[in-house]
Amino acid sequence: GAGVSQSPRYKVTKRGQDVALRCDPISGHVSLYWYRQALGQGPEFLTYFNYEAQQDKSGLPNDRFSAERPEGSISTLTIQRTEQRDSAMYRCASSLSEGDEQFFGPGTRLTVL
Amino acid sequence: LAKTTQPISMDSYEGQEVNITCSHNNIATNDYITWYQQFPSQGPRFIIQGYKTKVTNEVASLFIPADRKSSTLSLPRVSLSDTAVYYCLVGGWDSNYQLIWGAGTKLIIKP
Repeated sequence: GAGVSQSPRYKVTKRGQDVALRCDPISGHVSLYWYRQALGQGPEFLTYFNYEAQQDKSGLPNDRFSAERPEGSISTLTIQRTEQRDSAMYRCASSLSEGDEQFFGPGTRLTVL
Repeated sequence: LAKTTQPISMDSYEGQEVNITCSHNNIATNDYITWYQQFPSQGPRFIIQGYKTKVTNEVASLFIPADRKSSTLSLPRVSLSDTAVYYCLVGGWDSNYQLIWGAGTKLIIKP
């Protein structure tokens, strides 16, 4: 079966532009997680959903970051007015239910010039 | 939220058993201990999860003492392909399932 997919795989944008990163979880997975990972570091939790409900957004760095999962499947992480410090690998993961094994997507490499 | 401490790096040789120990002194009653593996340019991959005592699957064993303040991931007979970063995490219902990922342990297997 298909794993977690993310698009785009690479995104280069100019400072001040908005970007939308997409995550398509494994079909039937209830929980969906967003992480940000800097080179040489572990993933940094951003937010997660159960179905369409955002359970915890305490990891979002500031109000320029938002996420949604309107139909309980595909999720979008939006970064408004991007800054150079937003450059990182953004990873999405899904799990069958809370606390279960998380399956990670390939990530989106965001570069803000 | 429970934090973990693990060695930054370890070296070993093909065919050896490797043990990576993680400390988590403030683990909560309902927290589970989970280990993930990450290869360069890939997302982390689940290895094993446990609550107490010993858990074994086809790739690893996880040893958890009675006080649960530490855990040890054991990789039997490692090969070059086991070179990766290994993350120890604790989390569960008490912490809203939020996992704190440290920098992990970079394991290098030599021929």
